[in-house]
This record gives sequence, structure tokens and C-alpha cells, in this order.
Amino acid sequence: SQELEQSPQSLIVQEGKNLTINCTSSKTLYGLYWYKQKYGEGLIFLMMLQKGGEEKSHEKITAKLDEKKQQSSLHITASQPSHAGIYLCGADIGAGGTSYGKLTFGQGTILTVHP
Amino acid sequence: EPEVTQTPSHQVTQMGQEVILRCVPISNHLYFYWYRQILGQKVEFLVSFYNNEISEKSEIFDDQFSVERPDGSNFTLKIRSTKLEDSAMYFCASSRAFTYEQYFGPGTRLTVT
Repeated sequence: SQELEQSPQSLIVQEGKNLTINCTSSKTLYGLYWYKQKYGEGLIFLMMLQKGGEEKSHEKITAKLDEKKQQSSLHITASQPSHAGIYLCGADIGAGGTSYGKLTFGQGTILTVHP
Repeated sequence: EPEVTQTPSHQVTQMGQEVILRCVPISNHLYFYWYRQILGQKVEFLVSFYNNEISEKSEIFDDQFSVERPDGSNFTLKIRSTKLEDSAMYFCASSRAFTYEQYFGPGTRLTVT
């Protein structure tokens, strides 16, 4: 089974709609990172969550880490074409956070926003 | 805004040749990483590096791979004898500490023919 699983794999929404992307781990997440990638380009850092129950927002994007620290969600409010891209969750799933920066990534969620 | 830079953006090489991929991390970061992404697959961790030493490496990072910080600003990944399966996008990243956010460069697309 996948260490870090994202759902859905792809998402097509109309501009203005809200959407949620999930990232689930079978192990405790010691640090959860959300990145955005455009096809063939680098990863753009969005947010990092470390504490169970933590929630962070940036512009119209909100990310949460659940209390048990095994799932995170990324929510986009009133989506725009500029939100289109591939959203990746990456996590430190080492034992007690001693993975020396090794991030394990999900397979990504491809978001398309139709104007 | 400071950013991680990588050169070249695209490298084509023949199987068996050595390649060096170069990265300039963000200037006040001391922790460095290499990841790779084979087309259509997940981003995979290769190695983390701090204080001129490898801190962690994955099973992908075998004896064909090496990393170096040759001076105060560059961080390099060397592949000694490239194989077809080394074709991928290679990303460099840096952070202020292992538990801080990692900032990624734009990547080097390596094509091995």
C-alpha cells in the first residue's frame, strides 16, 4: 500500500467552486507539507503543518492536519484558473521526526479549473 | 525573494557518461536535498546533506551517486555512469533546518540516451 495517498487523483471544477484534496497516511505525520507543481516545473511551497489540529490559511487556500496526525486536507475557496496545477502533499513519516529531512510524497492531485 | 536555482535546465547525455547537476541553495539555508521525479511518477527522496556530510539517503542513492558542496554557494549531484533509468527531473531543495519547510528549485531534466 502507498505510504502517503492523495485523493482524488484528479479534479475538474468550474471557476468559483470550492474543492478539497485529501492526503492520508497509515503512519503518524511529523510534518506535513503542501506543494503546488505545474507540469514539468518545480514545486512551489504552500504550507507546512506540524501539530495535530493545526490549520493554516494563505489567501483562498486552507490546510488542516487532523488531531491524530494521519490525515491532512487542502481546501480551496472560490477556485480560479490560477489555482490549476498539481497539488502534492509531502510528509516526514520517520520515527519521531528523525528522518533528517526525508520527505515522502503522495502521487499528486491534478486540478483543472474551467473559467 | 530568495530562491533555489539549478543548472542546467535540461541535460542530454549518453548512457555510461558522467553528469553533474548543479544547485545554488537559498543563501542562509544549511540543509540541502536532492529529489527526483521520473515522468508520471511520484517525487522521490534521494539524499539529505548537512555540515558537509550525508545525513540520510534512500536506496536509490547507490554508489553511482555522490553529492558535494564544493564551495560556499553550490551543491552538486554527480551520477558517475548514467543509465537509461536515470532519466528524470532532478530537484534540489534547501531548508533552514530538517524540520523546516523545504524550498525546491525548478529542476534539471536529465535525459539519458
